[in-house]
Amino acid sequence: ETGVTQSPTHLIKTRGQQVTLRCSSQSGHNTVSWYQQALGQGPQFIFQYYREEENGRGNFPPRFSGLQFPNYSSELNVNALELDDSALYLCASRGGGNTEAFFGQGTRLTVV
Amino acid sequence: GENVEQHPSTLSVQEGDSAVIKCTYSDSASNYFPWYKQELGKGPQLIIDIRSNVGEKKDQRIAVTLNKTAKHFSLHITETQPEDSAVYFCAANRDGGSQGNLIFGKGTKLSVKP
Repeated sequence: ETGVTQSPTHLIKTRGQQVTLRCSSQSGHNTVSWYQQALGQGPQFIFQYYREEENGRGNFPPRFSGLQFPNYSSELNVNALELDDSALYLCASRGGGNTEAFFGQGTRLTVV
Repeated sequence: GENVEQHPSTLSVQEGDSAVIKCTYSDSASNYFPWYKQELGKGPQLIIDIRSNVGEKKDQRIAVTLNKTAKHFSLHITETQPEDSAVYFCAANRDGGSQGNLIFGKGTKLSVKP
């Protein structure tokens, strides 16, 4: 059984650019959530995908968007990057009907 | 919406001592309370969780207690070891819903001194 994997592990972008982060969910898990973790803070919920549809969203602007694919992998897209978007972006997956969420190692995004 | 408060923000103990981290939540509808351990450069790792139909759960050196009336829950680590040093997060959400999003506390940095 493979765990949650995210790519890339690190990247640096310039303010105003767009970025796509990727997540492969744990085997058998059909629900993927994305979180933003600023330095020294707890993760903040961005949104969740279940069977390719967004079914929950936190307090993040529309320039944060996502996709989930038939194999349950997922992407997080952020447009018009701002300096405050610099953070660790975490993907978590869970199986249908279960609440236990398992996190990937995260993608460290730096916006300069 | 739900709000989770966690304290202390930092905790330093001697190896072999016990460590206790406490969290409070605001939404009485929350019924699932996981604890995560995050080591430097890694994602959060689920270490134990509890649902509101039980008051205590134990797994080897780790235990979690829940007081629904007071809306607080605690993590207890006994016989601490240097490898327990990490940041610990509590979280809360409503089990069984389509939302499933976790509301996290701000974390406790635990240092275990050998």
